[in-house]
Order: sequence, then C-alpha cells, then structure tokens
Amino acid sequence: AIQLTQSPSSLSAPLGDRVTITCRASQDISSNLAWYQQRPGKPPKLLIYDASNLASGVPSRFSGSGSGTDFTLTISSLQPEDFAVYYCQQFNSYPVYSFGQGTRLEIK
Amino acid sequence: QVQLMQSGAEVKKPGSSVKVSCQVSGITFSNFAISWVRQAPGQGLEWLGGIIPSFGTLNYAQKFQGRVIITADESTSSAYMELNGLRSDDTAVYYCARDHYTGGVVLPYFWGQGTLVTVSS
Repeated sequence: AIQLTQSPSSLSAPLGDRVTITCRASQDISSNLAWYQQRPGKPPKLLIYDASNLASGVPSRFSGSGSGTDFTLTISSLQPEDFAVYYCQQFNSYPVYSFGQGTRLEIK
Repeated sequence: QVQLMQSGAEVKKPGSSVKVSCQVSGITFSNFAISWVRQAPGQGLEWLGGIIPSFGTLNYAQKFQGRVIITADESTSSAYMELNGLRSDDTAVYYCARDHYTGGVVLPYFWGQGTLVTVSS
C-alpha cells in the first residue's frame, strides 16, 4: 500500500503569510496526488488535483507542485478561512486510495 | 444538486456490528466509485474501502480486510458500509465519498455529511 507522509503535522502562521505543506509518497505516484481542506465538523473539500491543478472555485492563492514522490501545497497569503486541516491523497492506485496524516494550520 | 445523505448516529457495544448507509441523489450512481473514509476524534482521514456499483468492483484497505463489508444497491442509489467486531478505537465519523471526473482524473469529490459511530460498553 502507498503511504503518504505529511510535514509538518501542525503549523502556526499569521494572516497574510505564505505557508508550504509537504507530502512524501512511499513510491513513485507520478502526479496522481490531490489536496483536500477540512474545516471542523465538515467533510473534506477538494482543493487541488493532479498535483498542481486547482479545483473549481478554489482561490488562486492555493497552488500545488511536485511529481514522483515529493509534493507541496502552498498558500500564498493566508486568509482567515484558510485555517483548517489539510490532507494529501493519492489516486495512483485508483480506486484504492490513501491519505496523509494531515497538517493542522492555526492562526498565530 | 448532488447530495450524499448518510444514516444517523449510532451507539454500539464492543463486539457488535454497525451498518451505515449513503444515498446518492442529483448525479449518476453506478459508474463511479463510492469510498468509505473514517475519522477518529481529533485524528486524520482513513480510507476503509470502496465499490464501483456498475461493475461490482470491491476494494478494501488491508487493515480492514475481513472486518468491513461494502455493498451497493443500484435500485435505490445507495451504498452501505458494515463494520464487524467493533472496538472502542472504531469510534469515529464515517464518511461516504463519490468519485467524480475532474479535469481528466477520477477521485473523491462529493462527500456525505458523516455518521458518528460510538463504540462503548
């Protein structure tokens, strides 16, 4: 099974800051990686698919990059609504999926 | 609009079973996978398994093999997840998620509201 390891596990940053979250896969998954945002009490919401493509309606301050085993999610200028938990998810082994353990983003 | 409506919260005894339902409306049911994902309190997302209803294709995470059964009923556009041998660490919110074709790839896109399953003696 493909394992995904995110870092950091939690992150504290002020409004307007630029932050980067990393996801590492246990094997080459090409660009078959997505990023989700989850707010408290809500299901996950797709932000980015295919490592770098923005899902419909997602603000352009979100961006993704990477391929193979190393991926990043960047938020260019933190807004209040961005404080949430972020998960990477691989779909290389479709329809068998796995998620990273999550990164909690908090206001500093 | 697309809705995945899950059954209500459950409280179960250790060793028992729970069956959670997920009814899909507003979109084709059969041709895309429906996954079950759980989230223990304060923890991350964990994929349990999934089904592609039109093909009857089933996949389970190795951790849950032999303990989880996922089924689908195309006549009611519903998917079901049954977890057996419940333990206290199975206490979690269980989500169903329906794959969607997005920009050339297929991945979980539409999600149910979640069903809290509490396992307690």
